[in-house]
Amino acid sequence: QKEVEQNSGPLSVPEGAIASLNCTYSDRGSQSFFWYRQYSGKSPELIMFIYSNGDKEDGRFTAQLNKASQYVSLLIRDSQPSDSATYLCAVNLSNTGKLIFGQGTTLQVKP
Amino acid sequence: DTEVTQTPKHLVMGMTNKKSLKCEQHMGHRAMYWYKQKAKKPPELMFVYSYEKLSINESVPSRFSPECPNSSLLNLHLHALQPEDSALYLCASSRAHTDTQYFGPGTRLTVL
Repeated sequence: QKEVEQNSGPLSVPEGAIASLNCTYSDRGSQSFFWYRQYSGKSPELIMFIYSNGDKEDGRFTAQLNKASQYVSLLIRDSQPSDSATYLCAVNLSNTGKLIFGQGTTLQVKP
Repeated sequence: DTEVTQTPKHLVMGMTNKKSLKCEQHMGHRAMYWYKQKAKKPPELMFVYSYEKLSINESVPSRFSPECPNSSLLNLHLHALQPEDSALYLCASSRAHTDTQYFGPGTRLTVL
């Protein structure tokens, strides 16, 4: 079992729709979870971090964490073509500083 | 300000060359990281420095040699690399190893 798993996609949504990105992780000792966005040829850019169970909202983005189910998700509301990118879920493995990434989900937002 | 800078942006080197990558941050972060990213793959951790001491080495070959001269600067010394080492090398920093990591723009390395 991979430590962090994501559906690689591509996930295609129309402009203005909600995009839902999912991630599962295997290490129950991990406490810190992150979503990064990466455009082709660029470095990862932090979108959200979440440490506690529940929802965390920042503008059009909502991160959800369920530690019992070992599940993290990212919702993007009112999706824009500029949101088209690869979204990387990352887990700080047992808070060691070792950031483990999922394979990334490619999101395509069609005008 | 969450800026991490990396130089050079691009580097082409032969297998017998010695070169260095540089990473700098002025956010007062005490943890710094090197990652390697191949095309269409996620970043893979190479090294973690915490309070200027190497705390994690992910079994990286000795042709990669990290150095942390001070709390703001991180170097990666390269020697006798192989073509398969061609990748995007990313530096990141965080306040502590438990905190959010911020990435620099990366150095695109090509080994001929």
